[in-house]
Amino acid sequence: KAGVTQTPRYLIKTRGQQVTLSCSPISGHRSVSWYQQTPGQGLQFLFEYFSETQRNKGNFPGRFSGRQFSNSRSEMNVSTLELGDSALYLCASSPRGDRYGYTFGSGTRLTVV
Amino acid sequence: GEDVEQSLFLSVREGDSSVINCTYTDSSSTYLYWYKQEPGAGLQLLTYIFSNMDMKQDQRLTVLLNKKDKHLSLRIADTQTGDSAIYFCAESDDFQKLVFGTGTRLLVSP
Repeated sequence: KAGVTQTPRYLIKTRGQQVTLSCSPISGHRSVSWYQQTPGQGLQFLFEYFSETQRNKGNFPGRFSGRQFSNSRSEMNVSTLELGDSALYLCASSPRGDRYGYTFGSGTRLTVV
Repeated sequence: GEDVEQSLFLSVREGDSSVINCTYTDSSSTYLYWYKQEPGAGLQLLTYIFSNMDMKQDQRLTVLLNKKDKHLSLRIADTQTGDSAIYFCAESDDFQKLVFGTGTRLLVSP
């Protein structure tokens, strides 16, 4: 059974640009969450989607957005990149976003220069 | 607000038991999780415990929950060098959003 797949693995962007990250959940999983991991702030929740609807959102500026498609694949977008957006972005999936926890992908390492 | 704290570092010898501690502040935390992160990898769910439980054992892993003190611990029996990683405690009250601790780096020496 394939795990959570995130593409690309590494990305270098320039300040002011925008970026789109992709996540393919485990087959049959309908809930997808996104997290940002940085050395300073640790792991922080960005948002969660279930059946194409955003159910929960973390405390991030509007430059961070996401969506989920009908096949449960998800994308997150960051516009007007800042140096502080450099981080590991982790996607996680769950059958229904229930109590039994999420399976995480290996992440996309974004570097903003 | 929600806050989860962990000690930053733990060093043990191979074969010993490791105990990683975590405290949380949100009294409505219903679900508590332990994740493991190895270098260059994502997070691996190790185990979970619900707030109506005091203890959960899963092979070499034992989770203890003291709800009164909002204290969670993960004990790894017979620690191996392959257990060297960063361990994160996480809590949730709606299981969609996880609040993670700072992570404890476990170093296992031969």
